[in-house]
Amino acid sequence: SQQGEEDPQALSIQEGENATMNCSYKTSINNLQWYRQNSGRGLVHLILIRSNEREKHSGRLRVTLDTSKKSSSLLITASRAADTASYFCATYPNMRFGAGTRLTVKP
Amino acid sequence: DGGITQSPKYLFRKEGQNVTLSCEQNLNHDAMYWYRQDPGQGLRLIYYSQIVNDFQKGDIAEGYSVSREKKESFPLTVTSAQKNPTAFYLCASRMGKLTDTQYFGPGTRLTVL
Repeated sequence: SQQGEEDPQALSIQEGENATMNCSYKTSINNLQWYRQNSGRGLVHLILIRSNEREKHSGRLRVTLDTSKKSSSLLITASRAADTASYFCATYPNMRFGAGTRLTVKP
Repeated sequence: DGGITQSPKYLFRKEGQNVTLSCEQNLNHDAMYWYRQDPGQGLRLIYYSQIVNDFQKGDIAEGYSVSREKKESFPLTVTSAQKNPTAFYLCASRMGKLTDTQYFGPGTRLTVL
């Protein structure tokens, strides 16, 4: 069964705007990770947040984790056309991925 | 170059034929995984292996088989028992206990005619 579930399913924004994606999960986790997938390609790891962390930053990425609500969010600031991709959350140790959010950034 | 490779990129097979998808890694990772992805969908876990000569079923193992005879190789066989095999197949590896980050191959798109 799928573990993480992202919303929205699709998001379309203008270049320069911020993009926020959410992920909900069902069971306890050691950590939660976000991955990116360009169309027809493999996934690329973006960022990992551990269960005892609440927020983490990496460049233009900001991830939050609320274990009481079993949810996480990924914020991409100052988006670029090159950020257009699908974004997935994955929970560990379950190794399960959600259906993803398809982000389109218009130039 | 270090990495994880899958071949071929595109694969066509006739219905009823078994087909084996290749996955090789030279990252010296202990764990390897196979996922299936259908159009517009997330990844579903087929099989995974934490160590050589050992593997476990994922959520959708029916109609698939794997082997892990070498650390660097984890081939997936899609058998004729898999009712709807047309999909994008992704292989991934993970170092082991030191990190949970998975490294993905480029994928193989299988089309059964």
